[in-house]
Amino acid sequence: DTGVSQDPRHKITKRGQNVTFRCDPISEHNRLYWYRQTLGQGPEFLTYFQNEAQLEKSRLLSDRFSAERPKGSFSTLEIQRTEQGDSAMYLCASSLAGTTDTQYFGPGTRLTVL
Amino acid sequence: GENVEQHPSTLSVQEGDSAVIKCTYSDSASNYFPWYKQELGKRPQLIIDIRSNVGEKKDQRIAVTLNKTAKHFSLHITETQPEDSAVYFCAAAWVGGRLAFGKGNQVVVIP
Repeated sequence: DTGVSQDPRHKITKRGQNVTFRCDPISEHNRLYWYRQTLGQGPEFLTYFQNEAQLEKSRLLSDRFSAERPKGSFSTLEIQRTEQGDSAMYLCASSLAGTTDTQYFGPGTRLTVL
Repeated sequence: GENVEQHPSTLSVQEGDSAVIKCTYSDSASNYFPWYKQELGKRPQLIIDIRSNVGEKKDQRIAVTLNKTAKHFSLHITETQPEDSAVYFCAAAWVGGRLAFGKGNQVVVIP
């Protein structure tokens, strides 16, 4: 499968714990995006990378959230001191900047904070 | 920031009829408008997209129209089939290519 992959697919954690998610984009794509989706809503932008540079973070993203893309390939999203309000589907998407900019989504990581 | 709104929130159609979903956007600088289909528990799948230099695009039973002056765009599905039942999201590309999504439309095709 050469599409966007995410790991894990599901994560259940207790409030206050830290969690980390991984995204592997389509191999030749240089842009990688993180979105969050809650029930009944559209995906909401969190942050994006072009190669290894993090170019933008949403103002809605608290300091408990951090993302990295150290080698310009896979990316990780870490949430520290999780809260119940962090429960959501975390989606990753990738695109090839400078062409169609079409974003292809991964299957998502569903986070449940108890 | 960019604001994207979708109407209606739920749409029920008889199999074989057409479905139309409308979206409006706020940022006149937006230049790329994709539509995604999302089935329950699955990832959003791109079904069609349009750029601001084009007024209409068609792919088999699916078409999208764009009115830049009015800042709205629409998805048209003809000859609907049960497998078209899903949530459809419109989006507008904002600075850096990031997408602002609408809240989605639940389309139900009644056999």
